[in-house]
Amino acid sequence: QQQVKQSPQSLIVQKGGISIINCAYENTAFDYFPWYQQFPGKGPALLIAIRPDVSEKKEGRFTISFNKSAKQFSLHIMDSQPGDSATYFCAASSGNTGKLIFGQGTTLQVKP
Amino acid sequence: GAGVSQTPSNKVTEKGKYVELRCDPISGHTALYWYRQSLGQGPEFLIYFQGTGAADDSGLPNDRFFAVRPEGSVSTLKIQRTERGDSAVYLCASSLMGPGTEAFFGQGTRLTVV
Repeated sequence: QQQVKQSPQSLIVQKGGISIINCAYENTAFDYFPWYQQFPGKGPALLIAIRPDVSEKKEGRFTISFNKSAKQFSLHIMDSQPGDSATYFCAASSGNTGKLIFGQGTTLQVKP
Repeated sequence: GAGVSQTPSNKVTEKGKYVELRCDPISGHTALYWYRQSLGQGPEFLIYFQGTGAADDSGLPNDRFFAVRPEGSVSTLKIQRTERGDSAVYLCASSLMGPGTEAFFGQGTRLTVV
């Protein structure tokens, strides 16, 4: 019940296209859903985060869509650029520990 | 420093040896987390400190793993009797207020047990 399932495992998108990564969870106590971007040899960096009281959040080219009833959330990267090529992780946490449960990751390659 | 600092960046040790990994969080951040990331996987939670105390150590895999944060700032992750399966990147993160606030990650320590 603590798992966060992420798909696809890898994704190839043309420059200017839309990248979409999906995550699903089981634990209804989760109340914070961040997305992290990680480049090789670096630690994860927060991209955007959402709480379950809103269905969508947009920051620049990055949008989170959240479906509470389906227990799913997704990251959309608009106008994808080669510099977006990285591994993306969804995560979730609940309550007073802040312990993040991460998905398995999606390796995104944006072709020029 | 401006970010979370972890030392060393790489550590190679022999099976059975003891290792210490250090984390310097962002100044003023009260919450500190340790995660472990195996190749091709997402980070896996190990332990969470709020101030000096371990608020949640449910992710520590066994009693060979121990972490301290004696003054509420720097933290050390200690691994006794290392095993080859302990090889991974150990990540430290800190956040200003704890749960539900942005966690900033360090670059990690790559531990290789040979």
